[in-house]
Amino acid sequence: DAKTTQPPSMDCAEGRAANLPCNHSTISGNEYVYWYRQIHSQGPQYIIHGLKNNETNEMASLIITEDRKSSTLILPHATLRDTAVYYCIVRPGAGSYQLTFGKGTKLSVIP
Amino acid sequence: DTGVSQDPRHKITKRGQNVTFRCDPISEHNRLYWYRQTLGQGPEFLTYFQNEAQLEKSRLLSDRFSAERPKGSFSTLEIQRTEQGDSAMYLCASSLAGTAYEQYFGPGTRLTVT
Repeated sequence: DAKTTQPPSMDCAEGRAANLPCNHSTISGNEYVYWYRQIHSQGPQYIIHGLKNNETNEMASLIITEDRKSSTLILPHATLRDTAVYYCIVRPGAGSYQLTFGKGTKLSVIP
Repeated sequence: DTGVSQDPRHKITKRGQNVTFRCDPISEHNRLYWYRQTLGQGPEFLTYFQNEAQLEKSRLLSDRFSAERPKGSFSTLEIQRTEQGDSAMYLCASSLAGTAYEQYFGPGTRLTVT
C-alpha cells in the first residue's frame, strides 16, 4: 500500500483558506487519494477523493500534482466547526476495501 | 436520523468478561466495516461484510474477537475474555457496493476494560 505523510498539526485563522498537504510518493497509477476528517468524539467523515484531476465538492477542493506524488486539501473558508483531524488515505489495490488511516493532521481553526 | 448507529456508546467491563457491540448501518448499504481506534491513533481496520458474508479480516482480529451480520442488516462484534489492551473506540461504518471507499461512520462504542 502507498504510504502517506502529513504534518502532525496546523493552525488556520477563521475565514481563511486551510491548505492541508499530503505526500504519497509511492502511489500507483490506479490508486485514488481519499480525504476523511474526524471531529472530536465523532466517527470519521468522508470529504472528497480523486485520481489525477482536481476535484471540488460542497465541502472542499482536492488538488493533485501532475506526478501524483502529493496532494492538497483546501477548505476555502475555514470555520471553527472545521477543527478536526484530517486523514489523507491512498486506496489499496483491488480486492481490499479497508481504509488505512495514518495519524493525520490536527487542524485548529482559530477565531 | 438515518445514519449509522451503534449501541452502546460506552461500555465499562472487568478484565475477563465478554462484551458485545451492535451496529445498525444505513439501510440501503450492503457493506459494513468494523474499525478500532486507540487514543492518538487513526482507526485500524478489523473486518468487513458484504451482505451477510464476512469477506476480509485483519490480523488484529484475534481469536477472541468475532463479528456477525446474520441477515445482512445489523452487525455484532463480540470480544471474549477482554483484556486491558482491548480498551479502545470501536467504530462501525457502512457503504454502498459501488462506492466502497465512501464509508459512513457511526459515533463509535468506547470500551474501557478495568
